[in-house]
Amino acid sequence: DTAVSQTPKYLVTQMGNDKSIKCEQNLGHDTMYWYKQDSKKFLKIMFSYNNKELIINETVPNRFSPKSPDKAHLNLHINSLELGDSAVYFCASSQWSSGSGETQYFGPGTRLLVL
Amino acid sequence: TQLLEQSPQFLSIQEGENLTVYCNSSSVFSSLQWYRQEPGEGPVLLVTVVTGGEVKKLKRLTFQFGDARKDSSLHITAAQPGDTGLYLCAGAFWTSGSRLTFGEGTQLTVNP
Repeated sequence: DTAVSQTPKYLVTQMGNDKSIKCEQNLGHDTMYWYKQDSKKFLKIMFSYNNKELIINETVPNRFSPKSPDKAHLNLHINSLELGDSAVYFCASSQWSSGSGETQYFGPGTRLLVL
Repeated sequence: TQLLEQSPQFLSIQEGENLTVYCNSSSVFSSLQWYRQEPGEGPVLLVTVVTGGEVKKLKRLTFQFGDARKDSSLHITAAQPGDTGLYLCAGAFWTSGSRLTFGEGTQLTVNP
């Protein structure tokens, strides 16, 4: 019955490596998001896709590349990992709205530690 | 840039005490949401407020949306250890589609 799932939950890797995080939602939503939560718990949006189209692309290094193969999936690939990439990455989904604020449903997070 | 200021950032109280968390912006929200995040989990929606002056109650939690729709507060009555968590406000703006802008969060610890 998992609504938004992410894999892996934990990711420990060396600086310079390339890694991917996968996200899937079974809520039938048309919009998906990637957020980064830093050590101070600040939740900052990175990307958003609506019907597989990129609609939000914050000032994120181009080492981060999202990919949405279909409406239910949004993956995040990170090249050349740096120490500062260590954080918790959350995937979320919602229905698209024109500004009225739809509920966002979050995955359990992926804890990335770059050594 | 639309910013939300949340205060206090940290709050540690004893069981049975009351508390209020504030969320403020210089911009007008189309709606505002409050989420709660427990350790090791993602944020979960508590409530959405839409109308200026609106008050919503969820058991011991009372949420208020300011008349001008620029601020909101969360009041917890008789806090319990189970209320411990990170409380996040998130604002939606008419120009931002389904995007939410999150506040910095309030880490609440309720000690037994």
